Amino acid sequence: GAVVSQHPSRVICKSGTSVKIECRSLDFQATTMFWYRQFPKQSLMLMATSNEGSKATYEQGVEKDKFLINHASLTLSTLTVTSAHPEDSSFYICSAPLVRTPEQFFGPGTRLTVL
Amino acid sequence: GENVEQHPSTLSVQEGDSAVIKCTYSDSASNYFPWYKQELGKGPQLIIDIRSNVGEKKDQRIAVTLNKTAKHFSLHITETQPEDSAVYFCAASTGTGNQFYFGTGTSLTVIP
Repeated sequence: GAVVSQHPSRVICKSGTSVKIECRSLDFQATTMFWYRQFPKQSLMLMATSNEGSKATYEQGVEKDKFLINHASLTLSTLTVTSAHPEDSSFYICSAPLVRTPEQFFGPGTRLTVL
Repeated sequence: GENVEQHPSTLSVQEGDSAVIKCTYSDSASNYFPWYKQELGKGPQLIIDIRSNVGEKKDQRIAVTLNKTAKHFSLHITETQPEDSAVYFCAASTGTGNQFYFGTGTSLTVIP
């Protein structure tokens, strides 16, 4: 099946710093990518929809100035957590759908820990 | 919007027994229902999916059934093995490129 990668897999940062997470579709193009956040023992919660060439669409309650999304190309979307705080510590997962199918492929996730 | 409910939240079975996880959805426009397996610290992996024009789909030990009228779908795992232990999520979508609405997850433990 299609492959989606994320980098880094794990990051630890100090409170107040910014962290960038990359999501890449390795063998297909994705005009749309989705960013999820998952807290321990909970389900995936959609944060935003990343659209190539246009602004991201954020879910209610997600601060767009804090979680900056850039979909720079058909294979890359980035999520930047700005001025990170300990409550931003979570598992961040991206997904990308295949063109003309409803299937989505998920990245391996990025574990963010803010000290 | 869509609301997906999933039961049970935890499930323990003896190795070799069957496991069944059930989900319900609220939006009659949903037409794609995937199931994902997530191991600790990893991203979700698609294990099987079903579209609304099909009532049942099977892939070796895994099967999914869909009842559109009742708006529920189920995952069936037969002859369970310890490596089936993981968290399973159901999801619903209204189609190509659209967002997934996830269930709350089921933690499956297969006891050797």
